[in-house]
Amino acid sequence: TQLLEQSPQFLSIQEGENLTVYCNSSSVFSSLQWYRQEPGEGPVLLVTVVTGGEVKKLKRLTFQFGDARKDSSLHITAAQPGDTGLYLCAGPPWSGGGADGLTFGKGTHLIIQP
Amino acid sequence: ETGVTQSPTHLIKTRGQQVTLRCSSQSGHNTVSWYQQALGQGPQFIFQYYREEENGRGNFPPRFSGLQFPNYSSELNVNALELDDSALYLCASSARLAGGSQYFGPGTRLLVL
Repeated sequence: TQLLEQSPQFLSIQEGENLTVYCNSSSVFSSLQWYRQEPGEGPVLLVTVVTGGEVKKLKRLTFQFGDARKDSSLHITAAQPGDTGLYLCAGPPWSGGGADGLTFGKGTHLIIQP
Repeated sequence: ETGVTQSPTHLIKTRGQQVTLRCSSQSGHNTVSWYQQALGQGPQFIFQYYREEENGRGNFPPRFSGLQFPNYSSELNVNALELDDSALYLCASSARLAGGSQYFGPGTRLLVL
């Protein structure tokens, strides 16, 4: 069973600060996806990283996929209250065959205080 | 482009009853996956449908079943509801060859009393 562990579980910081959220596994993933979810809504896809060592930037958000494809990080620069939400990492099984059901981490609950 | 839609948005049932949840996939997507998300947890994979057939299943009992229709929409059926089935049920659609990127609907919040 492939597991994804996210840290920290909870994070509350002031507006303008920087933060990093981690997603780690002992298993290899063919790709990893990051989602943001607000209360009562479905997860919204932020990015998919595919290549080991890949770095993707989305405005103030920087996503990195580990060289060994076992971990990923999300860095937010100058956090804003609108960044508040549950951040989830997820990945399909490495085999790629059969079902591509995603394995999710438990998420990082992020609160940005004005 | 129409996104993933789900119905109903909220539902209250009693233990032992049966429920059917519905999902319309995003245009251009032929694969639908269902997830259960308990409060404060990440989503857990229930099963996936491709070409109207179940294409893989997570660790859920047989009383969780589904269908996919020719227009790629899907249903999730849960029989003999238990209190622990209370959760947000999420549907996600994807294009089969899109490298796993899945797009989620807003979910159906199910409460079992």
